[in-house]
This record gives sequence, structure tokens and C-alpha cells, in this order.
Amino acid sequence: DIQMTQSPSSLSASVGDRVTITCRASQSISSYLNWYQQKPGKAPKLLIYTASSLQSGVPSRFSGGGSGTDFTLTISSLQPEDFATYSCLQTYSTPQTFGQGTKLEIK
Amino acid sequence: QVQLVQSGPEVKKPGASVKVSCKASGYTFTSRGISWVRQAPGQGLEWMGWINPYNGNTLYAQKLQGRVTMTTDTSTRTAYMELRSLRSDDTAVYFCARDDFYTYWGQGTLVTVSS
Repeated sequence: DIQMTQSPSSLSASVGDRVTITCRASQSISSYLNWYQQKPGKAPKLLIYTASSLQSGVPSRFSGGGSGTDFTLTISSLQPEDFATYSCLQTYSTPQTFGQGTKLEIK
Repeated sequence: QVQLVQSGPEVKKPGASVKVSCKASGYTFTSRGISWVRQAPGQGLEWMGWINPYNGNTLYAQKLQGRVTMTTDTSTRTAYMELRSLRSDDTAVYFCARDDFYTYWGQGTLVTVSS
């Protein structure tokens, strides 16, 4: 199975900050990497697919990068509604595997 | 618009079975697969498996092999996930999601396993 190691596991930041979350795959997954945002009691929401494509309707302050084994999710200027948990998912091979999540909290 | 609507919460005893449904609307049901994902309280997301409604082909997470069965009913546009021999660590919210990048998700179904 491909292991997805996400860091940091939690992060405190302020409105307006630029933050970056990383996911590292245990082997190359090409660009088969998606990013999701999840708020308490809700289903995850797709932000970025195939590593760097912005899902329709998602603000442009979100961006994704990387390929192979190392990937990033960057929020260029945090807004109050961005405080949530973020998870990556590799869809390169079965079983598909998620990172453990990054909880983004208000400083 | 695309919607996935799941069945309501369940409380089960250890050793019992649960069957969660996921009713699709707003697209051609047989054109996309359905994945199932669960999330234990305070934990991350876990992929459980996938089904192709067109031909019934399935893929399951190895740790659930033998306990999980995913099916679909194309006449009602509904996907089902049955989990047997429930244990306390199966307590989780169970989600269905359409397999195109998991763009669309059900609202989640809380399954509580407790004696």
C-alpha cells in the first residue's frame, strides 16, 4: 500500500497568512493526488485534483503543486472560512490512501 | 444538480451487520463509480472500497475483505455498503462519493457499534 505522510498534523495561523501543507507519498504517484477541505460534521470538499488543478468554484487563493512523491497545498492569504482540516488522497493505486489530515486553527 | 443522499444513523451491537444506502440523482448512475470512505471519531479518512454500477465490479480494502460487500440497484439509482461482524472500532461516519476525484459526497451516515 502507498503511505501518505502529511505535515504538519496541526497548524496555527492568522487571517491573511500564507500557509503550506505537504503530503509525501511512499512511492511515486505521478500527479494522482487530490486535496480536500473538511469542516466539523460535514463531508470533505474537493479543492484541488491531479495535484494542481483548481476545482470549479474554489477560490484562487488555494493552489496545489508537486508530482512524483512530494506535493503541496498552499493558501495564499487565509480567510476566516479557511480554518478547517485538510487531507490529501492518492488515487494512483488501490487501496487509495489519505493523509492523516492537517487541522488548521486560528492563532 | 448531482446529489448523493445517504440513509440515517444506525446503532448496532457487536457482531451485527449494517447496510448503508446512497441514493444518486442528477447524473447517469451507471456512468461513474461510487467509493465508500469512513471516518472514525476524531480520526482521518479511510478508503473502504469502490463499485462500478455499470457492471458491478468491486474493489475492497484488504483489511475489510470478507466483512464488506458493496452493491448497487440501478433501477433505484442506489448504492449500498454492507459491513458484517461489526466491532467497536467500526464506529464511524460512513460516506459515499462519486469517483471522479470525489467531487460529490453523501452527507455521511453515523454507525455506532456498542453493546
